[in-house]
Amino acid sequence: ETGVTQTPRHLVMGMTNKKSLKCEQHLGHNAMYWYKQSAKKPLELMFVYNFKEQTENNSVPSRFSPECPNSSHLFLHLHTLQPEDSALYLCASSLRGDFTDTQYFGPGTRLTVL
Amino acid sequence: QKEVEQNSGPLSVPEGAIASLNCTYSDRGSQSFFWYRQYSGKSPELIMFIYSNGDKEDGRFTAQLNKASQYVSLLIRDSQPSDSATYLCAVIQGAQKLVFGQGTRLTINP
Repeated sequence: ETGVTQTPRHLVMGMTNKKSLKCEQHLGHNAMYWYKQSAKKPLELMFVYNFKEQTENNSVPSRFSPECPNSSHLFLHLHTLQPEDSALYLCASSLRGDFTDTQYFGPGTRLTVL
Repeated sequence: QKEVEQNSGPLSVPEGAIASLNCTYSDRGSQSFFWYRQYSGKSPELIMFIYSNGDKEDGRFTAQLNKASQYVSLLIRDSQPSDSATYLCAVIQGAQKLVFGQGTRLTINP
């Protein structure tokens, strides 16, 4: 978890709110990822950015909007979420954009949608 | 059929014994396979990956891959209480889709 920070650590929001999750990596990596981890469901890869370019979008609803302004920062903009979107959102980074490279995960943001 | 399937457990193993974790996958074209460990309340960490049929050893961990039978397993020798965690199997499908299994919760009993 060191080297990858996520803010906020906990977030409660209503369905009409707009909020953003932030991830920052201090490891000099070129790839960053967003994952969703829900209770009773497998870990889901949401988005992949490689050298600031989005290379993967796993059929994620448009109410989740990623942004990667540079290789060190990754955002997940949230709007009009549903209660079923409540989950732990994990950010990760790796040196390269292929999954064989060790991914370093942040501590996650625990999101609750009311 | 789930894309990546694991027994959710819990799997209880006595300390010092071999823990065996299994995973099956549905996409016959999958080429890359990963095992992650996740301690309770913590983020996942990659512990092994394997591409070729056969065994790959790293310390007390051995990954085994059988593409014909579409399963991958993880053996942990000389199990320690610190190995107690949830183990996630992940498979790359298609060009670059990483799919995870539900995870198996492993408990090592002293």
